[in-house]
Amino acid sequence: GESVGLHLPTLSVQEGDNSIINCAYSNSASDYFIWYKQESGKGPQFIIDIRSNMDKRQGQRVTVLLNKTVKHLSLQIAATQPGDSAVYFCAETPSSNTGKLIFGQGTTLQVKP
Amino acid sequence: DVKVTQSSRYLVKRTGEKVFLECVQDMDHENMFWYRQDPGLGLRLIYFSYDVKMKEKGDIPEGYSVSREKKERFSLILESASTNQTSMYLCASSLPGSGRYNEQFFGPGTRLTVL
Repeated sequence: GESVGLHLPTLSVQEGDNSIINCAYSNSASDYFIWYKQESGKGPQFIIDIRSNMDKRQGQRVTVLLNKTVKHLSLQIAATQPGDSAVYFCAETPSSNTGKLIFGQGTTLQVKP
Repeated sequence: DVKVTQSSRYLVKRTGEKVFLECVQDMDHENMFWYRQDPGLGLRLIYFSYDVKMKEKGDIPEGYSVSREKKERFSLILESASTNQTSMYLCASSLPGSGRYNEQFFGPGTRLTVL
């Protein structure tokens, strides 16, 4: 069946370093991907999205890369800050116009001062 | 900004009790979703609704039911709570359609403990 997975459950980085969080997806027909950030005690919040006709999209300090050949998605956070500590989820839309998302298991990012 | 609210942040219930979790969104979204979140399992879809009085099963509907009598409100019902339903419950809403509109907006979650 469809699944969206993250490679590492936990990632620890030094403050100021760049972080890379990875995600593998299985449905080659998925056409839309989202990264969410979930801070402790809160619901997930949208960070950045990308459509399947793009390879890269940049936001403020964040970049999402999509490699459709190997069905891989990554989130890069530049100059990681303590406020970036959270659980990060990738999600894919298995087919258009259903409104459903399939979520990965999440990666916990820990930022060391 | 979209706001999704959930009736309780923390809830403690006894095995066998009927439990209602309420979710309200204020942006006139057609789609609403209920997930449960457990360590190591991510977010799993329980039920979703595309419109008033419409509901569809997600991946793990067993032991749950839902109600959507008004567009802004989506209720999750545990008919007879069991200890394996102890979890974090998240509600979300979104506009219909593809692309950017598939973004789901989440509430803060309800942490339910069943004793």
